[in-house]
Amino acid sequence: AQSVAQPEDQVNVAEGNPLTVKCTYSVSGNPYLFWYVQYPNRGLQFLLKYITGDNLVKGSYGFEAEFNKSQTSFHLKKPSALVSDSALYFCAGGGTTSGTYKYIFGTGTRLKVLA
Amino acid sequence: DGGITQSPKYLFRKEGQNVTLSCEQNLNHDAMYWYRQDPGQGLRLIYYSQIVNDFQKGDIAEGYSVSREKKESFPLTVTSAQKNPTAFYLCASSSDRGPGNTIYFGEGSWLTVV
Repeated sequence: AQSVAQPEDQVNVAEGNPLTVKCTYSVSGNPYLFWYVQYPNRGLQFLLKYITGDNLVKGSYGFEAEFNKSQTSFHLKKPSALVSDSALYFCAGGGTTSGTYKYIFGTGTRLKVLA
Repeated sequence: DGGITQSPKYLFRKEGQNVTLSCEQNLNHDAMYWYRQDPGQGLRLIYYSQIVNDFQKGDIAEGYSVSREKKESFPLTVTSAQKNPTAFYLCASSSDRGPGNTIYFGEGSWLTVV
């Protein structure tokens, strides 16, 4: 069965420090991987995705993600965190053998950036 | 502006009542989805539709129904058969359902049973 795991329920980081939100995956075929951000009482906003090619994917609001095939990971990173980055982050993924309706979403990681 | 509009934002349902959540998109996307979000859980797929007049059950379709009479619209009805309907409901769309397509979300609707 396919799965996407976010091992940390919450990540705390000081403003200005680098942040990492972790995601690991298990999918059929080659992976398609996504990161979304959710602010309170709002929908999910797309940040970035990995399809193929460069292992470092750049996205919105200064976020980037590193795809690591050997570790089956797709961690979200930002060099310098802002208080406004505090939100709930979801990793999602699917494989080349399945469509969008088979995407699996992680349980979410709450990021808290402390001033 | 292109996007996905959900309404109402907040809805209260009495026991034994059916309620309908509206979802409209002007992105010209073929595929549309309904997800349910509960605290501490990932998103779970309720129904999806690839084309007009066609839709498929997702992982938790019991107690829900949908229709797709127009490309732009994909309303979700939460029926009285859904025993635990209190949740945040997200409508979404993508250009099609092929692998690798990005799914875009609406702002969500809160449903509470009173």
